[in-house]
Amino acid sequence: GQNIDQPTEMTATEGAIVQINCTYQTSGFNGLFWYQQHAGEAPTFLSYNVLDGLEEKGRFSSFLSRSKGYSYLLLKELQMKDSASYLCAVRPPNQAGTALIFGKGTTLSVSS
Amino acid sequence: KAGVTQTPRYLIKTRGQQVTLSCSPISGHRSVSWYQQTPGQGLQFLFEYFSETQRNKGNFPGRFSGRQFSNSRSEMNVSTLELGDSALYLCASSLREDNPFSFARTGELFFGEGSRLTVL
Repeated sequence: GQNIDQPTEMTATEGAIVQINCTYQTSGFNGLFWYQQHAGEAPTFLSYNVLDGLEEKGRFSSFLSRSKGYSYLLLKELQMKDSASYLCAVRPPNQAGTALIFGKGTTLSVSS
Repeated sequence: KAGVTQTPRYLIKTRGQQVTLSCSPISGHRSVSWYQQTPGQGLQFLFEYFSETQRNKGNFPGRFSGRQFSNSRSEMNVSTLELGDSALYLCASSLREDNPFSFARTGELFFGEGSRLTVL
C-alpha cells in the first residue's frame, strides 16, 4: 500500500518562510493534495498537484515531482493564524473518487 | 451556502454498544465520504457513497457500515464498539461525478466538524 511521510512538527516565526515536505511511494499515484487543519476544526483544502511543477496560490505554493515521489508545501510571510496541522494526501491510481490516503500531518507552530 | 453538517458532535458509548452518525452534505454535492481520525493513525478512509451506492471502501472491519439516502444525506454505523473505535469521525462531501475528466477529479473535499466518539 501507499506510505506517506511528512515531518511530525515544525516551528517558525512570523514573517518567515517554511517548507513542509512530503514523500510517497511512486508505485501508485493519481494526484496529491494538501489540507490544513486547525486544532479542533475540520480540514480545509489548500492545493492539488497532478503534474510536475509548482502551483502558486497567494502565500501558499505546492510543488510536485512525480519521479521522486516528493512534494512540498511552501508557506510565505507566515502569520500566527498559520499555526495548524498540514496534511499531505495521495489519491491511489485508477481512482476518480475521494478515497485519499493521508499522511499523519505536520504540526506547524508559528511564534511572534 | 451551508457547510457539511454532522450529528451528534460528541458522544460517549460503552464497549459492545452500537452507534449511528449522521452527515448532511453541502447542497448539490452527491458524494459523501467518511474518514476516521486518530492521533496514532491520522486520517483513514472508511467509505464513499455516491448516488446511494457505495463506490469505495477502506480497510476497516465489517462492523463499520454506511448508507446514503436519496437526498444525499449519509449515515455510518459502528456495531459492537471496541475501545479502539474512539476517534473523530469526519464526513466530507464533494462534487464527484462519474465523468473522470470532470473538474471534480481534483478531489476537493469539504469536511464537516466531525463526530467525536469516546468508547469506555
